[in-house]
Amino acid sequence: DAKTTQPNSMESNEEEPVHLPCNHSTISGTDYIHWYRQLPSQGPEYVIHGLTSNVNNRMASLAIAEDRKSSTLILHRATLRDAAVYYCILRDNFNGNQFYFGTGTSLTVIP
Amino acid sequence: NAGVTQTPKFQVLKTGQSMTLQCAQDMNHEYMSWYRQDPGMGLRLIHYSVGAGITDQGEVPNGYNVSRSTTEDFPLRLLSAAPSQTSVYFCASSEQRDTQYFGPGTRLTVL
Repeated sequence: DAKTTQPNSMESNEEEPVHLPCNHSTISGTDYIHWYRQLPSQGPEYVIHGLTSNVNNRMASLAIAEDRKSSTLILHRATLRDAAVYYCILRDNFNGNQFYFGTGTSLTVIP
Repeated sequence: NAGVTQTPKFQVLKTGQSMTLQCAQDMNHEYMSWYRQDPGMGLRLIHYSVGAGITDQGEVPNGYNVSRSTTEDFPLRLLSAAPSQTSVYFCASSEQRDTQYFGPGTRLTVL
């Protein structure tokens, strides 16, 4: 199964943009790139996902490299409520419902 | 909609005891999964189900049993609890291979 690599931790100032990187050099053509985040003492929640093209939603943007070997989750204006662990996950669209979480990136937002 | 519900929220067991963690969803989702999360770690998939009557193993299935007799419910059984099973357990559901919705978790301690 294709795996992802993320920095263990990052810091950002409040109200500034945050770019969270993810490397997935062994990604296959049928793998979607998903991002979830986990707030303290809660279950993970969906943030965004994409296949090849950049994606935007009300929470964030996802920028996918042309070769798909890396991606970046962009939070346009970090707030204190965005402090969480962010997981980048590859999901095979033809292999059932298996998500493989790594250890994620712990984002600290500084007031 | 209540979404994904899990009971109990907290549980303490002695080594060798058995118990069932309950998970229910009211979104008519076909896919349901169980994960465990150890301190400082990401989530690891235990078992999953792609529909009523169909289950399969994930990364760490040993020591756990599941069944899926209805679309709504997906209980996780610990047959003989061990201290290594001390963890936080999350249940998730999704529509086919779409966004996963996670429950609030069950914090289990095995003494």
